[in-house]
Amino acid sequence: AQSVTQLGSHVSVSEGALVLLRCNYSSSVPPYLFWYVQYPNQGLQLLLKYTTGATLVKGINGFEAEFKKSETSFHLTKPSAHMSDAAEYFCAVSDRTGGSYIPTFGRGTSLIVHP
Amino acid sequence: GAGVSQSPSNKVTEKGKDVELRCDPISGHTALYWYRQSLGQGLEFLIYFQGNSAPDKSGLPSDRFSAERTGGSVSTLTIQRTQQEDSAVYLCASSLEGGANSYNEQFFGPGTRLTVL
Repeated sequence: AQSVTQLGSHVSVSEGALVLLRCNYSSSVPPYLFWYVQYPNQGLQLLLKYTTGATLVKGINGFEAEFKKSETSFHLTKPSAHMSDAAEYFCAVSDRTGGSYIPTFGRGTSLIVHP
Repeated sequence: GAGVSQSPSNKVTEKGKDVELRCDPISGHTALYWYRQSLGQGLEFLIYFQGNSAPDKSGLPSDRFSAERTGGSVSTLTIQRTQQEDSAVYLCASSLEGGANSYNEQFFGPGTRLTVL
């Protein structure tokens, strides 16, 4: 069975500071990995995903994430936070072995950006 | 193009009443998912439809919850005899293919906020 852990329900940064949102997964085979963002009163939208190949993945709005198999992690980063980045961020994993077809989501991390 | 739409956007009901929530997925998407999002709880999987296959109902919390998908397109989630603990945002998502192609991204609707008084 796969699971995903997002460390920190809230992360607060100043505008212009580095953003780091943590995601660790637990599964015997590295899964497909996703980051979604949810703005207030909206559905989730995909930021980026890792399926295969290059372990550093670039997404929309200047975000990127690196798959580290040895650390079972897929942390999301952005060099310089903008006020518009304030939102809820979800890490999700999906089984690539066909054992389960249902993506599993983390509990989410709320990013707060201070002026 | 049109994204995933859900209706109503807000629903307030009294305890014990039945409610129906609707989801219109992106045309051509064969996979459809329902999730429940409660404050601070992340996304809770409810049910999954893939093409003409039998749905995966493993996430439904009780027999008061049911869902159907007609013609491989529109889906309706029904909650019978609503309880206060059913209050949440119900999200629908679709993807091009599910199943073994679980690397496909999910496209989410804006959700239906259900409040049970």
